[in-house]
Amino acid sequence: EVQLVESGGALVQPGGSLRLSCAASGFTFTRYWMSWVRQAPGKGPEWVSHINEDGSEKYYGDSVKGRFAISRDNAKNSLYLQMNSLRVEDTALYYCARVAYGGGHFWGYWGQGTLVTASS
Amino acid sequence: EIVMTQSPATLSLSPGERVTLSCRASQSVGIYLAWYQQKPGQAPRLLIYGASTRATDIPARFSGSGSGTEFTLTINSLQSEDFAVYYCQHYNNWPITFGQGTRLEIK
Repeated sequence: EVQLVESGGALVQPGGSLRLSCAASGFTFTRYWMSWVRQAPGKGPEWVSHINEDGSEKYYGDSVKGRFAISRDNAKNSLYLQMNSLRVEDTALYYCARVAYGGGHFWGYWGQGTLVTASS
Repeated sequence: EIVMTQSPATLSLSPGERVTLSCRASQSVGIYLAWYQQKPGQAPRLLIYGASTRATDIPARFSGSGSGTEFTLTINSLQSEDFAVYYCQHYNNWPITFGQGTRLEIK
């Protein structure tokens, strides 16, 4: 069974930093693109970042480009999101997600999410 | 950035009815379009990808169609568990974007 478990969410002041982690199990981690998708309270999902199987390709949404960095450790079956210069508008539930199949950037598996609140 | 626009924002229907949800892209996305269902307190659930292919374990009452800029999600004979929010998402290029959602309510 595919499992994605996020951690690291917290209350942080604007301008601060946070590192999110996602522990993956139940599938061959090295075969799949992985992503972070966030959802602000009462809003729709927003794609944040995407990383390919070996970490050599990374993509970011415009709202986080230059502030967030995605990475993965295939030896630990883990995905990360380093979040710097946090803004109030980054407040959201952050999901770790796995692409559904080997190809196509849509998500068939999601974690339960970890809450990030940027507020003074 | 491709803007995805869903309509209507809210629909009120009764169990057993048939419903069609719309999603429009600001430029062509080919068939690189997915649909998700989301219930309160849960992560989105993939329903359709490639505009018309049902994901694993998705009931046959869900169907998708369209290409280019116009897409629809049809649910035949609504069940009580289908009342939720539905999102479309393109994956034609970067950045990937979602629509703002259509809420399906029980009448």
